[in-house]
Amino acid sequence: ETGVTQSPTHLIKTRGQQVTLRCSSQSGHNTVSWYQQALGQGPQFIFQYYREEENGRGNFPPRFSGLQFPNYSSELNVNALELDDSALYLCASSLAGIEPDTQYFGPGTRLTVL
Amino acid sequence: QKEVEQDPGPLSVPEGAIVSLNCTYSNSAFQYFMWYRQYSRKGPELLMYTYSSGNKEDGRFTAQVDKSSKYISLFIRDSQPSDSATYLCAILDNYGQNFVFGPGTRLSVLP
Repeated sequence: ETGVTQSPTHLIKTRGQQVTLRCSSQSGHNTVSWYQQALGQGPQFIFQYYREEENGRGNFPPRFSGLQFPNYSSELNVNALELDDSALYLCASSLAGIEPDTQYFGPGTRLTVL
Repeated sequence: QKEVEQDPGPLSVPEGAIVSLNCTYSNSAFQYFMWYRQYSRKGPELLMYTYSSGNKEDGRFTAQVDKSSKYISLFIRDSQPSDSATYLCAILDNYGQNFVFGPGTRLSVLP
């Protein structure tokens, strides 16, 4: 086990709704990254947060947003859900400044959009 | 061309076989190379990482990087049924912010 936890485990929403996913980082880690993994695909980078600031973003629209809190836990918010948002959402924590930036993944939240 | 491509699989081998999993990448600026294993309905777990060309061994696993060919491999010796999982190669860009993952190869080791 990596020590990274995510909630909820599963979630079902309907198109147009909003969702918030949560992640608790591994103790001592100050960086969190979020990924979207569609069925049968590798994870796709959404964004990364370091010390409560967005520190990089992949090719995802602005309706995907995030927060990192002082205790380094994090949230991923998705507005105006679309059917294609159905996927496993993974968060990964790491310690910036340590090379390489080895990321430890949580078990993921499986989101289904109907 | 995708940034990272991986042998499509799925791959089925008998127990005890040597398994070779491969990825190619397009951006020569990539510096760090990782292999993750992902069991069904779980998050990826780090197996190995390397940042230089050559081989790195850890138990039954050997990671090989050829930067001149932009080619990375993972070898599994004496494969076990517990090795059955999806294997993802991941490459870290030079800004240290973005892991680029391959699509994964699903491996089944048959007893």
